[in-house]
Amino acid sequence: GAVVSQHPSRVICKSGTSVKIECRSLDFQATTMFWYRQFPKQSLMLMATSNEGSKATYEQGVEKDKFLINHASLTLSTLTVTSAHPEDSSFYICSAREQGLLETQYFGPGTRLLVL
Amino acid sequence: QKEVEQDPGPLSVPEGAIVSLNCTYSNSAFQYFMWYRQYSRKGPELLMYTYSSGNKEDGRFTAQVDKSSKYISLFIRDSQPSDSATYLCAISGNQFYFGTGTSLTVIP
Repeated sequence: GAVVSQHPSRVICKSGTSVKIECRSLDFQATTMFWYRQFPKQSLMLMATSNEGSKATYEQGVEKDKFLINHASLTLSTLTVTSAHPEDSSFYICSAREQGLLETQYFGPGTRLLVL
Repeated sequence: QKEVEQDPGPLSVPEGAIVSLNCTYSNSAFQYFMWYRQYSRKGPELLMYTYSSGNKEDGRFTAQVDKSSKYISLFIRDSQPSDSATYLCAISGNQFYFGTGTSLTVIP
């Protein structure tokens, strides 16, 4: 149980284009989903927290107009990197909290984004 | 002061060694304690989850919580090369906090 999927697992795009990453909780309902960014050999950096049906809460320094987050259902959240630039190249990981169970998070496998 | 402090390592041990990974935390209100394992280029995987002080064992892994000292540990017995990964501690109460991760290499 408690499986989180992400799609795509890897994406290469041209500078200036937008990229959408999907995060799905496959066997549970996720009240809250989190989006992280991780650079090589560095720790997870929380970008934003999204609650189903409401606006995402962004961490300080994260541009909400650049990283659009939608959490339309209890099993799906999407992160769209708009007008991507090479410095946006990173490993993006989502996680989900199971509804009614607030004490842990289950992570997706991550999406590797490369912007040329 | 950070909510969670974790020695980043790197830690390198021979196969079969006992590994000890540790974190300290600042807020005694934290109630839930977790260890995640992250292989290179993969998402973190929940390894152990504990609620109260004391030990919890799962195979070769033992999680230990000392609330009086605000100290949590993960012990790995008979370490294997496949244990080579980054280990992150995590603590939650009303919010969720991760340690920076400890990189472990088990040498065959």
